[in-house]
Amino acid sequence: AQSVTQLGSHVSVSEGALVLLRCNYSSSVPPYLFWYVQYPNQGLQLLLKYTSAATLVKGINGFEAEFKKSETSFHLTKPSAHMSDAAEYFCAVSDTGGGNKLTFGTGTQLKVEL
Amino acid sequence: DAGVIQSPRHEVTEMGQEVTLRCKPISGHNSLFWYRQTMMRGLELLIYFNNNVPIDDSGMPEDRFSAKMPNASFSTLKIQPSEPRDSAVYFCASSSRTANTEAFFGQGTRLTVV
Repeated sequence: AQSVTQLGSHVSVSEGALVLLRCNYSSSVPPYLFWYVQYPNQGLQLLLKYTSAATLVKGINGFEAEFKKSETSFHLTKPSAHMSDAAEYFCAVSDTGGGNKLTFGTGTQLKVEL
Repeated sequence: DAGVIQSPRHEVTEMGQEVTLRCKPISGHNSLFWYRQTMMRGLELLIYFNNNVPIDDSGMPEDRFSAKMPNASFSTLKIQPSEPRDSAVYFCASSSRTANTEAFFGQGTRLTVV
């Protein structure tokens, strides 16, 4: 079975500071990993995905994530937080890049303060 | 493309009533997923279809829940009879197994059972 663990249900950063949201995965097969963002009262929007090509993946809105097999991690980062980044972020794992079910982490609520 | 379309966006119903949630996937996508989001359980997969055929319904809570996909452009999730514990946001997502695309989510249906 596949699973992901997101450390920290709430993260607070100052505007302009580094954003780091943690995700660790467990998978018996090479995983496909995703980060989604959810704004209030909205659906989930894909930020980026890892599909076994480059280990450093760049996404939308300045976010990126690095796949580290040795650490079974896929942490999400952004060099400089913006107020508009305040949202809930979900890490997810699948055994294919598309057409198969996603298993989600419990989410991390990001708060950005002035 | 208009994206994944769900209706209604909000539904308030009385306990014991039948509720039907609807989803129109992105044209050309051949995988469809129903997820449920609650504070207690997070995002959980209820059921998913490939080429209109149910593949995994192990997440459907009980016999009160049923889902159908009569054609490639329409799916329903029905709850009969509804109970207060079914109150949640229900998301539909679609993806292309053929083109190996990620899952695209609808805006969700917020269901409140009173």
